[in-house]
Amino acid sequence: DGGITQSPKYLFRKEGQNVTLSCEQNLNHDAMYWYRQDPGQGLRLIYYSQIVNDFQKGDIAEGYSVSREKKESFPLTVTSAQKNPTAFYLCASSSRDRHGEQFFGPGTRLTVL
Amino acid sequence: QQQVKQSPQSLIVQKGGISIINCAYENTAFDYFPWYQQFPGKGPALLIAIRPDVSEKKEGRFTISFNKSAKQFSLHIMDSQPGDSATYFCAASISGSWGKLQFGAGTQVVVTP
Repeated sequence: DGGITQSPKYLFRKEGQNVTLSCEQNLNHDAMYWYRQDPGQGLRLIYYSQIVNDFQKGDIAEGYSVSREKKESFPLTVTSAQKNPTAFYLCASSSRDRHGEQFFGPGTRLTVL
Repeated sequence: QQQVKQSPQSLIVQKGGISIINCAYENTAFDYFPWYQQFPGKGPALLIAIRPDVSEKKEGRFTISFNKSAKQFSLHIMDSQPGDSATYFCAASISGSWGKLQFGAGTQVVVTP
């Protein structure tokens, strides 16, 4: 069953802590993306990666970091430098020749206590 | 600033009615315009997409109308059903930009029985 998995579904973090969100895909897609979703603001791109060991900043990268050591995996770390981290985080992937058609995971809801 | 402006923010339609969501953009380099459907607590899913070389695309009860000169595009949901109740996002991207989608703010559609 091909798709994208994100874990955990819910995550609680204390202020000042770093936290890592997992994203795995078995679609054999080259490109992977991280978005942040806030109410009334649509989806905003945090980071994206076209190939293994390479990634670029999106529109709101400050306070976030990523790695792409394997084609299947694109974890996102929310650092303590992110001023307002409470949000719904979505991971997506796309194939090389149809990069506009992105497949999304179920999301991780992060709450900072 | 948001590169894709979406309206209305929310709409209520009776079962069997037509739902219409509008989007406008400024960047004439955009050449791919997808619509995504998102149910509460889930990731968005690609619904239908259009390129600017056609003025209309229909898939079942969903139709995209595209007006290149006005830089506007819209989603029409014909014969709306309660199962269509969801949030709809329009988006736009540029070929060669590795799927960097610019999303509208979203429209919450509620279909009443």
